[in-house]
Amino acid sequence: GAVVSQHPSRVICKSGTSVKIECRSLDFQATTMFWYRQFPKQSLMLMATSNEGSKATYEQGVEKDKFLINHASLTLSTLTVTSAHPEDSSFYICSVGGTANEKLFFGSGTQLSVL
Amino acid sequence: EDKVVQSPLSLVVHEGDTVTLNCSYEVTNFRSLLWYKQEKKAPTFLFMLTSSGIEKKSGRLSSILDKKELFSILNITATQTGDSAVYLCAVRYWTQFYFGTGTSLTVIP
Repeated sequence: GAVVSQHPSRVICKSGTSVKIECRSLDFQATTMFWYRQFPKQSLMLMATSNEGSKATYEQGVEKDKFLINHASLTLSTLTVTSAHPEDSSFYICSVGGTANEKLFFGSGTQLSVL
Repeated sequence: EDKVVQSPLSLVVHEGDTVTLNCSYEVTNFRSLLWYKQEKKAPTFLFMLTSSGIEKKSGRLSSILDKKELFSILNITATQTGDSAVYLCAVRYWTQFYFGTGTSLTVIP
């Protein structure tokens, strides 16, 4: 399976600042990566599909100007939470689809706390 | 609207008990159904199911899919405290994966 590295694991920031989260596929060239969000005691909610070399595909209700996704190479996708507010506090986790996109392999996630 | 629903939402059992977790889905363009275990952060893969009626088994865990009735079950026999976790069901539509609500399992000694 694919090995996925995500950084940082935890970030605390002030309201109004922007935060960048990196997701790296260490042993697999990923043309597609997925970004999920998880609130406490809730399930994973798909935010967007990151496509290498093209624009990300956002799920309904997810603000693309708020959550900027860049997938500039086959091993790196970034999620930038712009002008973060307390309601953006959540657990963000990225994943790679693996060979033929059959199953998801996850990064370790990023706990974002906005004060 | 496609959706994935799991039941029960939470479950508390004693060590040694057998549990059955349910996942139902409404979807167009179904490709596969996957089960994951989430203990702290990253979910870990358990099973992938694509065909009806074929049981997947790994140790004390097993799972089966019914594509006609649109559901899957995950069985855990002889539960242990280490089985305590959130169990997530995900359905693959085209290239995207959508997760169910999750079942929180607590196994007490």
